[in-house]
Amino acid sequence: GAVVSQHPSWVICKSGTSVKIECRSLDFQATTMFWYRQFPKQSLMLMATSNEGSKATYEQGVEKDKFLINHASLTLSTLTVTSAHPEDSSFYICSLAPGLEGYFSYNEQFFGPGTRLTVL
Amino acid sequence: AQSVAQPEDQVNVAEGNPLTVKCTYSVSGNPYLFWYVQYPNRGLQFLLKYITGDNLVKGSYGFEAEFNKSQTSFHLKKPSALVSDSALYFCAVRDGTGTASKLTFGTGTRLQVTL
Repeated sequence: GAVVSQHPSWVICKSGTSVKIECRSLDFQATTMFWYRQFPKQSLMLMATSNEGSKATYEQGVEKDKFLINHASLTLSTLTVTSAHPEDSSFYICSLAPGLEGYFSYNEQFFGPGTRLTVL
Repeated sequence: AQSVAQPEDQVNVAEGNPLTVKCTYSVSGNPYLFWYVQYPNRGLQFLLKYITGDNLVKGSYGFEAEFNKSQTSFHLKKPSALVSDSALYFCAVRDGTGTASKLTFGTGTRLQVTL
């Protein structure tokens, strides 16, 4: 399967600062990437879907101005949490759907190792 | 709207015994079903999927899952559990009808395998 990396693996920041999380596809060209948020002992909640070269599609209830997503290349997507607050503390996971031919429903997604964000 | 239910928060099993992790789903179109495993502070690893065809799907690490359309279930099974199988398991569904739709996850089941 595809190898997905995330950086940093964990970050602690002060309230009001911005944090950028990188998601890289190491061996596939990903036209579509997904960003999820996972709270302790809870499931993954899709935040947004990013397509290379176009604007991300955000799920209902996710503030696009707070969670900025950039998918500038087929191997890199970034999530920036702007003006972070303690309630933004969470485990953020990116995922990709490989294939230049486009993303199909029957494709499995491949997940990064996650980034744990703690906002003080 | 599509949904996934994993009725057990935790499943405990002794090493060498068979294990079952339950999953039921609800989707309006054709169900595409997936199982993922998550180890502590790690991302999800793909185990197996059902798209079409044989109802019994075999996946990684000796896991298999059986698709049951009438019961809308997709239970994960393994004939003989290992301590190293201890992890968090997620079932997920996607509506396979039409264009790509988002993946919906269950709440996860923690599998604890003991000696």
